[in-house]
Amino acid sequence: AQKITQTQPGMFVQEKEAVTLDCTYDTSDPSYGLFWYKQPSSGEMIFLIYQGSYDQQNATEGRYSLNFQKARKSANLVISASQLGDSAMYFCAMRDAGGTSYGKLTFGQGTILTVHP
Amino acid sequence: DTEVTQTPKHLVMGMTNKKSLKCEQHMGHRAMYWYKQKAKKPPELMFVYSYEKLSINESVPSRFSPECPNSSLLNLHLHALQPEDSALYLCASSQDRIAAPYEQYFGPGTRLTVT
Repeated sequence: AQKITQTQPGMFVQEKEAVTLDCTYDTSDPSYGLFWYKQPSSGEMIFLIYQGSYDQQNATEGRYSLNFQKARKSANLVISASQLGDSAMYFCAMRDAGGTSYGKLTFGQGTILTVHP
Repeated sequence: DTEVTQTPKHLVMGMTNKKSLKCEQHMGHRAMYWYKQKAKKPPELMFVYSYEKLSINESVPSRFSPECPNSSLLNLHLHALQPEDSALYLCASSQDRIAAPYEQYFGPGTRLTVT
């Protein structure tokens, strides 16, 4: 069974600073995918970034980058130059790539990020 | 355009009512998903449709009945719900259940309250 762990219930960062949100995972599948989603208080889940298990380079999307360390089974999200609008819940998720659960996303417990002015 | 729409935004229903949640996407995606999310918790998968066929049912009680009339539409029919079913119901879609690209795009959700 797959498992995603986010150990930081809450994080605080000053505006314009960088912040790292931690995510570790456990799976026995050699092929898997890792995602980060942002959920503001409005409720909508916003896709941020994706990393495939066979991707050689760390994924980047604008101010978001994914620090993928396969041997340590970690997929930390780095947000550079934080903005007030980055305040939200952030979820790490893993895509199931085997059997009847193919395509299912399993989410971590989430980290609430608060950006201070 | 990565828009998934959901109606209604809010729904209050009694335990004897029958109501439906609606989800629509026009991205040509062939996989659609229903998730349930309680406050301050991660979303939990309920159902997955792939090419309009039910692919995954995560042992959801029969008082929740999904329907996929066509590739753009996904409904969730609700009947005889319990107060503990009150939650945010999120719909999502992706290009395909199995093939890349894998990212799922979510709608804004329906906040359901069962009284």
